[in-house]
Amino acid sequence: SAVISQKPSRDICQRGTSLTIQCQVDSQVTMMFWYRQQPGQSLTLIATANQGSEATYESGFVIDKFPISRPNLTFSTLTVSNMSPEDSSIYLCSVERPESSYNEQFFGPGTRLTVL
Amino acid sequence: KQEVTQIPAALSVPEGENLVLNCSFTDSAIYNLQWFRQDPGKGLTSLLLIQSSQREQTSGRLNASLDKSSGRSTLYIAASQPGDSATYLCAPNSGNTPLVFGKGTRLSVIA
Repeated sequence: SAVISQKPSRDICQRGTSLTIQCQVDSQVTMMFWYRQQPGQSLTLIATANQGSEATYESGFVIDKFPISRPNLTFSTLTVSNMSPEDSSIYLCSVERPESSYNEQFFGPGTRLTVL
Repeated sequence: KQEVTQIPAALSVPEGENLVLNCSFTDSAIYNLQWFRQDPGKGLTSLLLIQSSQREQTSGRLNASLDKSSGRSTLYIAASQPGDSATYLCAPNSGNTPLVFGKGTRLSVIA
């Protein structure tokens, strides 16, 4: 399996501020994803983080609100900009390891964000 | 568009029981299906991946079956333990599209 770490593990932020979440993988991977899990809900894909090019966003998510960087094959960041209480969620980084077992996906431990 | 339904939404059982969690999906053109476990406020742990060509996959007390043509998968947990208490999520993978998740089954195993 892949070892994925995320920083911070949790944070409490004020409305209107921004938070950058880091995701580090223990080996090079092609596919990295960012998900959001709102309270009591399942996971929703925000975007696919592409190395060397702009991220691919899902419907309902825009780059101005959730800018993503992917400087290399082991690291990515997600920024939650101009936060409001509705952004309170768990944010999860995920990678796909094609060599592991038929494109199995692995998830990081998540970042629990509370916006006041 | 793939839609995933998990039944039951919540389940509470006494320790030692065998139980079955159900997952159904609308698009049967899948590459594989993963079952995950999520503890409260935490990330997801991959439990089992079952390929589209397989009928079932086993890991310890867990057994996942797949009926691709009918769009169903089940996760069987044998001899449940309090440590099995968590939310269980299934996610079919269509290959070139992201995983789509159900809302999960919240399991509570009572000692």
